[in-house]
Amino acid sequence: RKEVEQDPGPFNVPEGATVAFNCTYSNSASQSFFWYRQDCRKEPKLLMSVYSSGNEDGRFTAQLNRASQYISLLIRDSKLSDSATYLCVVTHTGGFKTIFGAGTRLFVKA
Amino acid sequence: NAGVMQNPRHLVRRRGQEARLRCSPMKGHSHVYWYRQLPEEGLKFMVYLQKENIIDESGMPKERFSAEFPKEGPSILRIQQVVRGDSAAYFCASSPNVNDIFGNTIYFGEGSWLTVV
Repeated sequence: RKEVEQDPGPFNVPEGATVAFNCTYSNSASQSFFWYRQDCRKEPKLLMSVYSSGNEDGRFTAQLNRASQYISLLIRDSKLSDSATYLCVVTHTGGFKTIFGAGTRLFVKA
Repeated sequence: NAGVMQNPRHLVRRRGQEARLRCSPMKGHSHVYWYRQLPEEGLKFMVYLQKENIIDESGMPKERFSAEFPKEGPSILRIQQVVRGDSAAYFCASSPNVNDIFGNTIYFGEGSWLTVV
């Protein structure tokens, strides 16, 4: 079993749709959680950190459930520019073991 | 405020040659990570280094691959006797402080794209 697992995708949604990505992690020692975005042939870029209480940044909402070892990302009112691969990222206590999920590809269509 | 700098951005090598990829972390960052991404695949952790120390190399192939982060200068990922399967994007990332819960956020360079012909 992979340490960080994500929905396989791809997700194909129309503009304006709401889309949710899920991610589970297996190591209970995991400490910090992030969502990154990666465009085709580009480097991953930090989208948002995920706080225990949940957090929102504009159209993006991240949730963490430590008991279930589950992280989610919700995108509201999808834009064409949201088309990318979304990576769930988990780091362990001590910080140096950073594990990336395989990513979920999103296509937003007009 | 320069980000993580990688060079070369693109590198073509013939089978059997050596490839050297360089990475300068963001200013103030002393932790460097190397990841490999094969075409149409996810990021795979290779190695984590601090200045003059390899902390975790569990993702590095046992042969032909090595990494260093000297006291002075950039981090180097070295691939000897390259084969076609080494063709990939190699991303370097850096972070400032692994002891802070969000200080270990890592930031990526633009990648070095290696093609072996």
